[in-house]
Amino acid sequence: DAGVIQSPRHEVTEMGQEVTLRCKPISGHNSLFWYRQTMMRGLELLIYFNNNVPIDDSGMPEDRFSAKMPNASFSTLKIQPSEPRDSAVYFCASSRMRSSNQPQHFGDGTRLSIL
Amino acid sequence: SQQGEEDPQALSIQEGENATMNCSYKTSINNLQWYRQNSGRGLVHLILIRSNEREKHSGRLRVTLDTSKKSSSLLITASRAADTASYFCATPHPQDQTGANNLFFGTGTRLTVIP
Repeated sequence: DAGVIQSPRHEVTEMGQEVTLRCKPISGHNSLFWYRQTMMRGLELLIYFNNNVPIDDSGMPEDRFSAKMPNASFSTLKIQPSEPRDSAVYFCASSRMRSSNQPQHFGDGTRLSIL
Repeated sequence: SQQGEEDPQALSIQEGENATMNCSYKTSINNLQWYRQNSGRGLVHLILIRSNEREKHSGRLRVTLDTSKKSSSLLITASRAADTASYFCATPHPQDQTGANNLFFGTGTRLTVIP
């Protein structure tokens, strides 16, 4: 089975540009999570969806960040306008419902560098 | 605030030695999970232990759970250079009522196994 697929793997862009990160979760998973990882802050949960509905976006740092999940097989995280402090590795993860004691499955991340 | 805190933050051992990492958490849980992250990759689920279990084994991994002390340990026996990675514990978010598998991740232990 294919795992969680993220694209692009690397993104380098200049500040002020719009950045769109993409995620394809594992088929049949109900929950999708976006994380950001930096050396300073570790792994931070930005937002998560359950059955395509955003549940908690309190981790989104600013209004410059937005996320959508138009269907069960695709999600995007958008940063507009981007700033150098947004440089980090962004991970997407998916999971089945909690009641089944399931793990989260992570993609290999997008390494984002804002110049 | 972080639910899980790993200890130590970093650990360096010789190949063949055993490595022990500890995790403490704050609220009641129904399971605790351990993940590994290799450099440049996403987190990979290693093992899940349920709250009614005290010990679980998977290959060279041994996980214990003490719910009275709200702590868990991960033991890697006969370590190999390939075990070099960061290890995270994760617990279900206590306030998630939606059924989404939202997890709190700890800050991680960076393990280095010297050949």
